[in-house]
Amino acid sequence: DADVTQTPRNRITKTGKRIMLECSQTKGHDRMYWYRQDPGLGLQLIYYSFDVKDINKGEISDGYSVSRQAQAKFSLSLESAIPNQTALYFCATSDFRTGELFFGEGSRLTVL
Amino acid sequence: GNSVTQMEGPVTLSEEAFLTINCTYTATGYPSLFWYVQYPGEGLQLLLKATKADDKGSNKGFEATYRKETTSFHLEKGSVQVSDSAVYFCALKAAGSGQNFVFGPGTRLSVLP
Repeated sequence: DADVTQTPRNRITKTGKRIMLECSQTKGHDRMYWYRQDPGLGLQLIYYSFDVKDINKGEISDGYSVSRQAQAKFSLSLESAIPNQTALYFCATSDFRTGELFFGEGSRLTVL
Repeated sequence: GNSVTQMEGPVTLSEEAFLTINCTYTATGYPSLFWYVQYPGEGLQLLLKATKADDKGSNKGFEATYRKETTSFHLEKGSVQVSDSAVYFCALKAAGSGQNFVFGPGTRLSVLP
């Protein structure tokens, strides 16, 4: 089983709909992240959380919100999806000692 | 601000060819440097890393040396295989940045048999 699990893996929705992407991890890491990947742009940080009571905006947080329900769970919401939010979204965790990021397999979101 | 620049792809090579993917960075202080690889349909996974100047990271036949004088961390492999076909991302984590990584745009590598 994957250490970082994302659901759904694929989602097609319409403009204006609310969407939630969920992430759970079994690595025991306190730090969790949501990234967005667009072709040719690498990964851009949306939000990150260093523990259950800590939420921080990343470089592209507008139009997104997050919830850290537990150490192992970090969800990303799009309150009113728009077509330019069509992208591949990755959840990640990190080990603060080594600095290494561990990624989920990604959630592909298409907004029509 | 901090940034990472990678050579643009796609890169297409024949099996057993030599691979170089260039990566340069801009950062204050002494960042840690990483190469991540993304195989088709999968998330990114760490390939190798280096945490200080002149360190060499290596894994699966890939190598990269942290060159502070040229602010570079080029990825090399002496003989690529078809199974190396993937997207490669150079990344940095600046010292004292909390935990924020900066990723390059990625370089797609295709290895032909």
